[in-house]
Amino acid sequence: SYELTQPPSVSVSPGQTARITCSGIKLGNKYVCWFQQKPGQSPVLVIYHNIKRPSGIPERFSGSNSENTATLTISGTQAMDEADYYCQAWDSTSVFGTGTKVTVL
Amino acid sequence: QVQLVESGGALVTPGGSLRLSCAASGFAFSDFYMSWIRQAPGKGLEWVAYISAFAGSTSYADSVKGRFTISRDSSKSSLFLQMNTLRADDTAVYYCVRQSVVAPAAYFDFWGQGTLVTVSS
Repeated sequence: SYELTQPPSVSVSPGQTARITCSGIKLGNKYVCWFQQKPGQSPVLVIYHNIKRPSGIPERFSGSNSENTATLTISGTQAMDEADYYCQAWDSTSVFGTGTKVTVL
Repeated sequence: QVQLVESGGALVTPGGSLRLSCAASGFAFSDFYMSWIRQAPGKGLEWVAYISAFAGSTSYADSVKGRFTISRDSSKSSLFLQMNTLRADDTAVYYCVRQSVVAPAAYFDFWGQGTLVTVSS
């Protein structure tokens, strides 16, 4: 079955740039979404179709996808961005990444 | 605004059955694919099943195939998940999720608050 691998954790200072990677075989041939989940809350879509932001998602969230790696970039990271982040793509079925905890210190 | 409200979660013994429901509002329910996605305590997200807009097509994760059945009643804007032969590893929060099928690929754009299913003796 298809697998998406993310680093367990990423730490970033306020105002700096956080990059979260998602790796999968030929992932660049698929369309990737990213979800943000804060403690005790439901996931929220922050990026779809690799690069698109839903309405209401701040411009500091951006995405890219090439070859075997998709990346979610948070520019000018704020304390409110501290959360778990999951990538997702479709193979024959939907597959989620292993998740990354972003800590803003 | 889009609202998805799950219900039906409970404590159930291994081998038992449970039916989850999701009441949708704020959008044209019959026009959208819908999915169930679950999250075990302290773990990541796992897609469970989806159903097409007109219920002509369903798909399941291998982990639940043959045990779970997804269905919908568009006249009542409701989504269901019938879960049979439940196992301890089915313990999770189950989310009802709207699935937008917009070219070039589907994506999960709205999530309910989730309902907790606990399978334990």
